[in-house]
Amino acid sequence: KQEVTQIPAALSVPEGENLVLNCSFTDSAIYNLQWFRQDPGKGLTSLLLIQSSQREQTSGRLNASLDKSSGRSTLYIAASQPGDSATYLCAVRGRTDSWGKLQFGAGTQVVVTP
Amino acid sequence: ETGVTQSPTHLIKTRGQQVTLRCSSQSGHNTVSWYQQALGQGPQFIFQYYREEENGRGNFPPRFSGLQFPNYSSELNVNALELDDSALYLCASRRQIQETQYFGPGTRLLVL
Repeated sequence: KQEVTQIPAALSVPEGENLVLNCSFTDSAIYNLQWFRQDPGKGLTSLLLIQSSQREQTSGRLNASLDKSSGRSTLYIAASQPGDSATYLCAVRGRTDSWGKLQFGAGTQVVVTP
Repeated sequence: ETGVTQSPTHLIKTRGQQVTLRCSSQSGHNTVSWYQQALGQGPQFIFQYYREEENGRGNFPPRFSGLQFPNYSSELNVNALELDDSALYLCASRRQIQETQYFGPGTRLLVL
């Protein structure tokens, strides 16, 4: 059974620092991994999607890496801003799972202080 | 393009009652998934519908059921509500061949 873990559960950094968020998963037979952002009481916004054959994806200040063999992904956010304050969740789609089925971690709650 | 919308935004029910939650998919999306997110946890997959048929289900009992309509809107029905059903219920829509899912804002259900 796939287990997705995100450590730490919460993180506070001053504005301008780089953020490093970690995600680990127990079963390397994944189809892809996604990073989402969730603002309080809101739905999820997709940030980056990495296919299992890829090592990383970049979008603006965001960079996500994937090491499938070790079951790890890292989301880097450069030069953090107060607007980056949110909960960040990673999710994997298993090779044998239906297209819509994602298995999520519990998230890392990020606070960027001015 | 309109986004994914859900109704109602909040709902309070008592144990044993039944509830129906609604989701309107993003234009052009023919697949919808439903997730349950308990406080402080990540979302858990309930089921997925494609062309009005359920084609994937998570570890949820049969009292969780759904419908998808020809216009690709969807309903989640939960019978015999239990206290543990209190959660944020999210729906997500996408085109069948795409990986990216677009989530609605959710319905927060409280069972007393």
